[in-house]
Amino acid sequence: NAGVTQTPKFQVLKTGQSMTLQCAQDMNHNSMYWYRQDPGMGLRLIYYSASEGTTDKGEVPNGYNVSRLNKREFSLRLESAAPSQTSVYFCASSPGQGGFGTNEKLFFGSGTQLSVL
Amino acid sequence: RKEVEQDPGPFNVPEGATVAFNCTYSNSASQSFFWYRQDCRKEPKLLMSVYSSGNEDGRFTAQLNRASQYISLLIRDSKLSDSATYLCVAGFQKLVFGTGTRLLVSP
Repeated sequence: NAGVTQTPKFQVLKTGQSMTLQCAQDMNHNSMYWYRQDPGMGLRLIYYSASEGTTDKGEVPNGYNVSRLNKREFSLRLESAAPSQTSVYFCASSPGQGGFGTNEKLFFGSGTQLSVL
Repeated sequence: RKEVEQDPGPFNVPEGATVAFNCTYSNSASQSFFWYRQDCRKEPKLLMSVYSSGNEDGRFTAQLNRASQYISLLIRDSKLSDSATYLCVAGFQKLVFGTGTRLLVSP
């Protein structure tokens, strides 16, 4: 049982390049999320998808786009990477529908270390 | 002011010690509370949910004080393997993560 799988694990981009981070979960979860983690900032929500076919902005959505391809997959795209997007990115999923329900537990992927030069 | 605040530590304790972390949250409407554990360069993993009545899971005890808006985590009989960063989480409709408290358990 893989849980939440993210690819790639590491990526180096030049400013202005684009890329897509892939995420898939095999737990039949309804909700999926993308977070970034920076030193001293904690985990911050970029976008989330409360159910297949819906996406919503989180705390720091600027510079990112997402696609909920199907129930299993939720991708994060950087159209024109900037050094400020250097971070560790985590995808997560949770069983409930509707985003952050009460006591909704999150299951995280292993993360993507992204550097933008 | 951050929505969820934690002492970053590190807390340095010997094996077998009892250690406690506190965390405060600013949104009085918060209904969901958790402690997550994060090892260096790894993903956060759920340690335990936190309930108003307090709850225990083996050596770990979590407490919630709604009046003072703080959450605590008590670890008894610390093990070397408890060394990690502990993330406090609180929220209502969206979960807010603290920046974490680092624990180092030494032999």
